[in-house]
Amino acid sequence: DAKTTQPPSMDCAEGRAANLPCNHSTISGNEYVYWYRQIHSQGPQYIIHGLKNNETNEMASLIITEDRKSSTLILPHATLRDTAVYYCIVGHQGNNDMRFGAGTRLTVKP
Amino acid sequence: SAVISQKPSRDICQRGTSLTIQCQVDSQVTMMFWYRQQPGQSLTLIATANQGSEATYESGFVIDKFPISRPNLTFSTLTVSNMSPEDSSIYLCSVDLQGVSGIWTYNEQFFGPGTRLTVL
Repeated sequence: DAKTTQPPSMDCAEGRAANLPCNHSTISGNEYVYWYRQIHSQGPQYIIHGLKNNETNEMASLIITEDRKSSTLILPHATLRDTAVYYCIVGHQGNNDMRFGAGTRLTVKP
Repeated sequence: SAVISQKPSRDICQRGTSLTIQCQVDSQVTMMFWYRQQPGQSLTLIATANQGSEATYESGFVIDKFPISRPNLTFSTLTVSNMSPEDSSIYLCSVDLQGVSGIWTYNEQFFGPGTRLTVL
């Protein structure tokens, strides 16, 4: 029960922005949107999270729609090292375990 | 942040044997989690392990098959018992750190590198 829907795969040209969408239409008011990624043969890595405001850090930007039913993770200048599976996860306030869906396999091509 | 190590990083085991995977964290944490990632699949939560109490198992996972220990706030073990080829997976531990943003608490999980298990 991942509570999110993501496209299974996407391609992006190196140096261009990668925009990864996520639908979470059943999100409740106190649930955060988290993004993780998993590079091949490694454990998942935290990227960013948000509640309702757009967020930006050194890795990415997170755009959350006003109704909070969807969000987009933006990698502004994708590199080959950004090739990974990206997971969008909805997490309850104070709830600790992360429920992973299938994610989006992003392939950055030269 | 948290730095997590796992031992072994990989192993090849015979059917019917058991393997214990260790997870070590560089800071004290209340909750630790064990996940399984079967080949080509996403992560599935096996159980949540709190120090000083019995682990809580997710549907489809039982203590007899996946006994867990949590002797202190920086360490946990997961045993895969009586293994079969279907247990071939990557096993990952993770820890949860809570932050506060205004009136909300949020959770950030840090994952270990995983243990790649192959059962013949």
